Amino acid sequence: EVELVESGGGLMQPGESLRLSCAASGFTVSGKYMNWVRQAPGKGLEWVSCIFGSGTTYYADSVKGRFTISSDNSINTVFLQVNSLSAEDTAVYYCATIKRGTTSFDIWGQGTRVTVSS
Amino acid sequence: DIRMTQSPSSVSASVGDRVTITCQASQVISSWLAWYQQKPGKAPKLLIHTASILESGVPSRFSGSGSGTDFTLTITNLQPEDFATYYCQQAHSFPLIFGGGTKVEIK
Repeated sequence: EVELVESGGGLMQPGESLRLSCAASGFTVSGKYMNWVRQAPGKGLEWVSCIFGSGTTYYADSVKGRFTISSDNSINTVFLQVNSLSAEDTAVYYCATIKRGTTSFDIWGQGTRVTVSS
Repeated sequence: DIRMTQSPSSVSASVGDRVTITCQASQVISSWLAWYQQKPGKAPKLLIHTASILESGVPSRFSGSGSGTDFTLTITNLQPEDFATYYCQQAHSFPLIFGGGTKVEIK
């Protein structure tokens, strides 16, 4: 069964860093475009970052320079390193794959919640 | 970046109604448009990709149309399980941008 499981969220203070994880099963992350999409409380969806294969990466302008996406193919997991957290980063962070032949998101995890508050 | 304008932001409808949601891209995106359904506390679910192709398992009362810059999601014979928030997403190029969402509420 194809599944994505996110972890690593929590209550953080402004300026802190954290690393989110997305463990995949049922497929290999190296063969898929793997993404992070976030959703602030009561707000819409915001694509954050994407990684493919050996390391091609893409970032939203809003996170460029602070977020780093990476993958460890040996454990079939994708990561999102988030630095210099601010209240604006408070959101549920979803991991999602891109459907082959499109740039739409077909498989989603359950999300991990990040709250930034002093 | 491509901007996506989705309307209306909310709509009230009854079971059995037909609901239409529109999405406009700020530039031509051919048919590279996807639609999602999201229920409270849940991850989004892909309904339609490439503007009009129904994802496997999605009921046929959902349909998508359009190309270029203007797109439509139509739900015919609205069912109780269809009350949710719907998002469009341009799938043309990075950054991948979502519309602001349309909440379909019970009248």
